[in-house]
Order: sequence, then C-alpha cells, then structure tokens
Amino acid sequence: GENVEQHPSTLSVQEGDSAVIKCTYSDSASNYFPWYKQELGKGPQLIIDIRSNVGEKKDQRIAVTLNKTAKHFSLHITETQPEDSAVYFCAAGPTGTASKLTFGTGTRLQVTL
Amino acid sequence: DAGVTQSPTHLIKTRGQQVTLRCSPKSGHDTVSWYQQALGQGPQFIFQYYEEEERQRGNFPDRFSGHQFPNYSSELNVNALLLGDSALYLCASSLGPVGAYEQYFGPGTRLTVT
Repeated sequence: GENVEQHPSTLSVQEGDSAVIKCTYSDSASNYFPWYKQELGKGPQLIIDIRSNVGEKKDQRIAVTLNKTAKHFSLHITETQPEDSAVYFCAAGPTGTASKLTFGTGTRLQVTL
Repeated sequence: DAGVTQSPTHLIKTRGQQVTLRCSPKSGHDTVSWYQQALGQGPQFIFQYYEEEERQRGNFPDRFSGHQFPNYSSELNVNALLLGDSALYLCASSLGPVGAYEQYFGPGTRLTVT
C-alpha cells in the first residue's frame, strides 16, 4: 500500500519568514495530493491540493509543488503569520474508484513574533 | 452551507463496551469516509461509504463497522473496545468516490477508553 513520509516533524520560523514542508510517497498510482491544516481541538482543514497533471499550484501565500518522477511534493508558506501556527499534514490518494487518503505524520509549525 | 458535523464531541467508555459515532456530511456530498487519529499521528483510513455500501476498507479489524443512511449520514460502530481504540475519530465527506476527490473533515469525536 501507499506510504507517505513527511519532514520535518517540527518547524519554527519567525513571523514574515517562509516555511517549507516536504513529503514523499511510494505508490506511483497516487495522483491527488492535498494538504491539511489542523489546529488544536479541530478537524483537519483542506488548505490546498494538487493533481498529478499539474506541477505547481499557488493560492495567495500558500503554494504546492509536485515532482511525480521523484515522488516528492512540498508545501510552501510565504510571509508567515502567527495564525499559521498549527499542525500540517500532507496526504496522497489514488485515482479510480477509491478516494482513500494516506496521510503523513504531520509537521508542527510554530511562527514566532 | 453546513459543513461536516459529528456527534458526540467527547465520549468516555469502558474496555469491552460498544460505541456508536455519528456523522452528517457537508451539504451536497454523498460519500463518507471515517479515519482514526491517534495522538500525535496522522489520520488513518478506516472505511468509506457510498450509496449505502462499504466501498473500501483500511487495515482495521471487524470490530469496526459502519452504516450509511439514505440521507447520506453515517455511523461508525466499534465493538469490544480496547484501550488502544482511544483516539480522535474523524469523518470526511466528498462528492462521490470518483472524480471530485476533495475530502472535507468534521471536528471529530474524541473517544477515551478506560
């Protein structure tokens, strides 16, 4: 089955700096790669996603890149703000009749003033 | 537009008991997936329901079962609870198992087994 590895497990940046979180996946059948933000006591919130026919996608301060050949995808947050502090999860999902997501182990992002 | 709702918010059960968790999908969605999230871990897929049938199942024992109703809401049942079943149980809804892949999560039910 699919295996998703996520790094780093914790990340501390100063307000205004950029943050990068990296994930690798194992199953070449995966073609959907969402990113979720989870705040304390809440469920994961979908913040951005990318499909295998696209190499990069941007939404304001958030961008995601995908390298299908290397089976890598990354989340980039620019101009970080204190409210960006949360746990971020990457996930990978297959095409076809299943929309099961396999999640990484999460990155705790701390944005300090 | 109501998002995904789950009940109850918190639940405390004793080992060996049975529990039922409930989920209402986001308006317009017809597919419900259940995930278990242990403390400090990413969510793990339990199973998915579409058209009132279990369509896919993760690596969970038969103690975990579910149901989907005609209005697309869903229940997760866990029998013979173990201490290791303590976790946050998340429900996610989507529009069909094929095509539209975006899954939206509810706030979860925190289950504690003592």
